Amino acid sequence: QKEVEQNSGPLSVPEGAIASLNCTYSDRGSQSFFWYRQYSGKSPELIMSIYSNGDKEDGRFTAQLNKASQYVSLLIRDSQPSDSATYLCAVSSGGSYIPTFGRGTSLIVHP
Amino acid sequence: EAQVTQNPRYLITVTGKKLTVTCSQNMNHEYMSWYRQDPGLGLRQIYYSMNVEVTDKGDVPEGYKVSRKEKRNFPLILESPSPNQTSLYFCASSNRDSTDTQYFGPGTRLTVL
Repeated sequence: QKEVEQNSGPLSVPEGAIASLNCTYSDRGSQSFFWYRQYSGKSPELIMSIYSNGDKEDGRFTAQLNKASQYVSLLIRDSQPSDSATYLCAVSSGGSYIPTFGRGTSLIVHP
Repeated sequence: EAQVTQNPRYLITVTGKKLTVTCSQNMNHEYMSWYRQDPGLGLRQIYYSMNVEVTDKGDVPEGYKVSRKEKRNFPLILESPSPNQTSLYFCASSNRDSTDTQYFGPGTRLTVL
């Protein structure tokens, strides 16, 4: 059974701070890693994808992947109240048709 | 505008009354899938389709059917809905398979009484 683990939170950070979201996965054959943001009652939307070890930056967002430790994280710099949402980590293996989603981490950015 | 659409967005029905939730994408994606999302359980895949006339079970297929007669459409069918199928349903599509970015529809909130 492939598993993706996330701390459910809520993670509460002040506006302007760095929010750090973490995800661990069980399948060593995993090749594709995604972070989705989901506002309450809305559909998930992609924030970042990462496929190789190291860091990938896009604006205020940085994804970090460590395949040896089976760990992927998302850093949000200069957090804004509009970043308050649930963040879903998703993992997929090469040629796979069934991705595995974590249960999500709730982030609250307070003014 | 590239998008995935679902209908209806909200549905209240009774046990045993067959229903269909439609899903359509305009991105010419090969891969489409259906998920249900329940509190505390996260997103779980119901069925997926790799292309026209090619479908397979996801993690929680019991009580559901799908079909893929056209590339753009992937309807979800509940032949005899039961209260445990009350959930928030999402359709998604991606270019090839689950290793690509998935684009989600707006969701269908289903209540089975």
